[in-house]
Amino acid sequence: GNSVTQMEGPVTLSEEAFLTINCTYTATGYPSLFWYVQYPGEGLQLLLKATKADDKGSNKGFEATYRKETTSFHLEKGSVQVSDSAVYFCALRSGAGSYQLTFGKGTKLSVIP
Amino acid sequence: EAGVTQFPSHSVIEKGQTVTLRCDPISGHDNLYWYRRVMGKEIKFLLHFVKESKQDESGMPNNRFLAERTGGTYSTLKVQPAELEDSGVYFCASSQDLGQPQHFGDGTRLSIL
Repeated sequence: GNSVTQMEGPVTLSEEAFLTINCTYTATGYPSLFWYVQYPGEGLQLLLKATKADDKGSNKGFEATYRKETTSFHLEKGSVQVSDSAVYFCALRSGAGSYQLTFGKGTKLSVIP
Repeated sequence: EAGVTQFPSHSVIEKGQTVTLRCDPISGHDNLYWYRRVMGKEIKFLLHFVKESKQDESGMPNNRFLAERTGGTYSTLKVQPAELEDSGVYFCASSQDLGQPQHFGDGTRLSIL
């Protein structure tokens, strides 16, 4: 079956530090890949997506590249801000006749001034 | 444009009682999804409606859970009778077309005592 593995948190960084949250997946076919973010007290928001190999999704300074050879979709940001403190979820949609999302466990990021 | 709205935001009930969660999708979105996150676990898919029809209910845990979407607008998820292991956060999401990104609500936190 489909699965997503992302690095366990929590992750604590100082403001302006470089961020990487690792995500690897197992899926049949050619999945679409997503990063969702959940800010405190809010619901999930789509942060970025990639639908095919070598695509790079980007938004709000965050980037992730769909790497089929390593089945990975790592999230990066060059300089984090306090406002980036949130829980980040990696997810996939297999697209093989199913439109459900399969999520990782989430990684809590705390950015301190 | 109003986002996905879920009611209530928090519900506390005793084991054996009945609870009904409601989701109002974004207007015009034919696709509606239910997910839940139990403590410490991944967000898991429950089911997917296309308009009023159940497209995929492979994630429904057991027959104590009943989802409806009469008229193809809002949806309800009823748990009867509730058990302790049903505690968690229930998320609803919607998308305009199949394959489009899913927009999530803020979730309903369900606590079973």
